[in-house]
Amino acid sequence: DAGVIQSPRHEVTEMGQEVTLRCKPISGHDYLFWYRQTMMRGLELLIYFNNNVPIDDSGMPEDRFSAKMPNASFSTLKIQPSEPRDSAVYFCASSLGTVSQPQHFGDGTRLSIL
Amino acid sequence: KQEVTQIPAALSVPEGENLVLNCSFTDSAIYNLQWFRQDPGKGLTSLLLIQSSQREQTSGRLNASLDKSSGRSTLYIAASQPGDSATYLCAVRLPGQNFVFGPGTRLSVLP
Repeated sequence: DAGVIQSPRHEVTEMGQEVTLRCKPISGHDYLFWYRQTMMRGLELLIYFNNNVPIDDSGMPEDRFSAKMPNASFSTLKIQPSEPRDSAVYFCASSLGTVSQPQHFGDGTRLSIL
Repeated sequence: KQEVTQIPAALSVPEGENLVLNCSFTDSAIYNLQWFRQDPGKGLTSLLLIQSSQREQTSGRLNASLDKSSGRSTLYIAASQPGDSATYLCAVRLPGQNFVFGPGTRLSVLP
């Protein structure tokens, strides 16, 4: 079975540019999560969706960040304009809605803002 | 606010040793606790998930325990192998779907 698929794997761009990260969750999973991982702050939850609806975006650092889930098989995380402090690894994860089900992570997008 | 800590931050052991990784959390109102491993440049792989009503879970050489009242979990790895080298993270699931992760323990198993 295909796992969570993220693209691109690596992104290097200049400060001020728009960045779009993409995620395809595991088919049938009704929850989708976006995380950011840095050395300083570890793994932080940014936002999660249930059945394509954003439920909690309290982890989104500021208005420059936005996330969408137009359908059950696709989500985007957008940063506009990007800043050097946004450099991190961004992970997408999905799970079934029951408490007993684990999260499944993609391999992440390593983002570098110059 | 829930906080999750892990001790030690890094561990280096010779192959074949049994070892214990520790995870502590400040608020016992959790739904479950999950242990992950992360290999360099990769995402997280789920190892074990313990529901709040459970005391332990086992998978192969791995055993995870949970003491919710004291806010602690341990991951026991038996007969460690070089392939076990990775960073191990624990995460608690809060009411709703929020997850809080620990900073991880970086394990090196030397051949």
